[in-house]
Amino acid sequence: GEDVEQSLFLSVREGDSSVINCTYTDSSSTYLYWYKQEPGAGLQLLTYIFSNMDMKQDQRLTVLLNKKDKHLSLRIADTQTGDSAIYFCAESSNSGYALNFGKGTSLLVTP
Amino acid sequence: EAGVTQFPSHSVIEKGQTVTLRCDPISGHDNLYWYRRVMGKEIKFLLHFVKESKQDESGMPNNRFLAERTGGTYSTLKVQPAELEDSGVYFCASSRTGTAQPQHFGDGTRLSIL
Repeated sequence: GEDVEQSLFLSVREGDSSVINCTYTDSSSTYLYWYKQEPGAGLQLLTYIFSNMDMKQDQRLTVLLNKKDKHLSLRIADTQTGDSAIYFCAESSNSGYALNFGKGTSLLVTP
Repeated sequence: EAGVTQFPSHSVIEKGQTVTLRCDPISGHDNLYWYRRVMGKEIKFLLHFVKESKQDESGMPNNRFLAERTGGTYSTLKVQPAELEDSGVYFCASSRTGTAQPQHFGDGTRLSIL
């Protein structure tokens, strides 16, 4: 199947910016998503971007998409301890509704 | 609006037994999905319902898994008989019909097979 790759772990200091990266292989990916999972909870949709967009900003979150390199990133400005969680990158193509997930990046925010 | 709810939150059964997981989607969402995450692996798609019909069941691992959505409301996922490799977290999601409607996930059912 198609692959979605993420680094597994990221540690930042409170107040710094966090950048979580994701690469994917499916050239027909149309929609790309970022989900957040806090301990013991489900997947919370953070934001999503269409493949015809380069950037999307929503408060402290900025998503950048480089479609040529099939690279997606999530930047969290002024990272807080409450942002500590697992962040999943996911993609879907026009051909179906199924989401294809990466393994998730564990973000640890230290005081 | 109420979110996607899943029951039970945690199930521990012995190998060979049967377990049924339930998912109640967000009201008005015709699309319902099942995913699972096996320890250390990615979250994998299992199947997709549109109302009561199976739209895509390409991710179902084998015939020990049976999903239903009678009446197009809640869905059940039955595993019979359960095997050790079925352990993991089973997520349900739902979405409206239409372009780029995001999927909203439940908290998942953690299934442990002993």
